[in-house]
Amino acid sequence: DTAVSQTPKYLVTQMGNDKSIKCEQNLGHDTMYWYKQDSKKFLKIMFSYNNKELIINETVPNRFSPKSPDKAHLNLHINSLELGDSAVYFCASSQSFGGDRGNNEQFFGPGTRLTVL
Amino acid sequence: GENVEQHPSTLSVQEGDSAVIKCTYSDSASNYFPWYKQELGKRPQLIIDIRSNVGEKKDQRIAVTLNKTAKHFSLHITETQPEDSAVYFCAASKGKKLSFGAGTTVTVRA
Repeated sequence: DTAVSQTPKYLVTQMGNDKSIKCEQNLGHDTMYWYKQDSKKFLKIMFSYNNKELIINETVPNRFSPKSPDKAHLNLHINSLELGDSAVYFCASSQSFGGDRGNNEQFFGPGTRLTVL
Repeated sequence: GENVEQHPSTLSVQEGDSAVIKCTYSDSASNYFPWYKQELGKRPQLIIDIRSNVGEKKDQRIAVTLNKTAKHFSLHITETQPEDSAVYFCAASKGKKLSFGAGTTVTVRA
């Protein structure tokens, strides 16, 4: 049974289009994240939600909008796609968002490879 | 914010030898240091982590050391095997988010 799942796995689209990536976790975690991994493999945090509340919002173009309908889901909508948006996007979840208590381990989804043509 | 530097960027070792990856961090308040392994085309997965109240942790062939004074931590893999070939990421956190290093591509030669 899949812990963190993402759809779609691959996404090929034209510049200027709007697309969404969906993420679901069945681990009962409170916190979910979106990461972008570029062609050089660098992993960069984009957003994080804790119990449906936005807690991390890095310097990301406002064309990217996360949405958490409940604490098991965190979706990512991207407007007006650009060539530079091509990357692998990973969703992740953790039991808590840090501190000395709780389990910080982040469980990653399988990734969505986005290609903008 | 936190800045994590990771070295080397690539590492090639003979099967059976040891591999060492080093990371430094900038924020002395960081207190959680995980290491993730990412195989080609797969998701990153946690392999070991250490908290700031511990200096060393070991799990079979993998060990991590932490020097809080110098603000650096290292991953040691002993008796390397072909399945250890992957990209390894260190990270540091003081609460809300993980800041990742740039990754080390480890290749184990048979």
